[in-house]
Amino acid sequence: RKEVEQDPGPFNVPEGATVAFNCTYSNSASQSFFWYRQDCRKEPKLLMSVYSSGNEDGRFTAQLNRASQYISLLIRDSKLSDSATYLCVVARSNDYKLSFGAGTTVTVRA
Amino acid sequence: NAGVTQTPKFQVLKTGQSMTLQCAQDMNHNSMYWYRQDPGMGLRLIYYSASEGTTDKGEVPNGYNVSRLNKREFSLRLESAAPSQTSVYFCASSAPFVSYNEQFFGPGTRLTVL
Repeated sequence: RKEVEQDPGPFNVPEGATVAFNCTYSNSASQSFFWYRQDCRKEPKLLMSVYSSGNEDGRFTAQLNRASQYISLLIRDSKLSDSATYLCVVARSNDYKLSFGAGTTVTVRA
Repeated sequence: NAGVTQTPKFQVLKTGQSMTLQCAQDMNHNSMYWYRQDPGMGLRLIYYSASEGTTDKGEVPNGYNVSRLNKREFSLRLESAAPSQTSVYFCASSAPFVSYNEQFFGPGTRLTVL
């Protein structure tokens, strides 16, 4: 079983729509959670960290559910520029290593 | 600041050839990493260097070697390339190795082994 699993999508949404997707993680010892964004043929970049209480960064909202071992990302008022692959990333607090999901592809159409 | 740089950007090798992928960072980060990314799979850690002078194996180290040349530079060597090593290789770096810190990635090297 993969340590981090994501629905690959693609999620095709019109501009202005809301899109949400989850990822699940298998290691209950995981302590840190992140969403990275990767544009086509580019390097991953940190989008936001995910905190236990949930957090927002502009149009992006991330949630963590430790009991069910999943994290979610919601994008409101989607822009064309939000088209990308979103990588779910998990880390253990006593270990520098990151585990990456394969990514969820979002395409926002005009 | 250039951040994390990688050379070359593209490379085609024949089976059995060797090559070294170069990585350098100018953010004074202690930790550096090499990943590979294959279609349908997440990034997988090949090797990492927690600090200058140390290197350790990651999840998929077979067929690779690394050198932490100094604090700035971390190279990845393929001694005898195989088609299974066709992939996109990313180098990354992060700040002090105490707890998780954001990893910054280079632009990647696209390697094809024929």
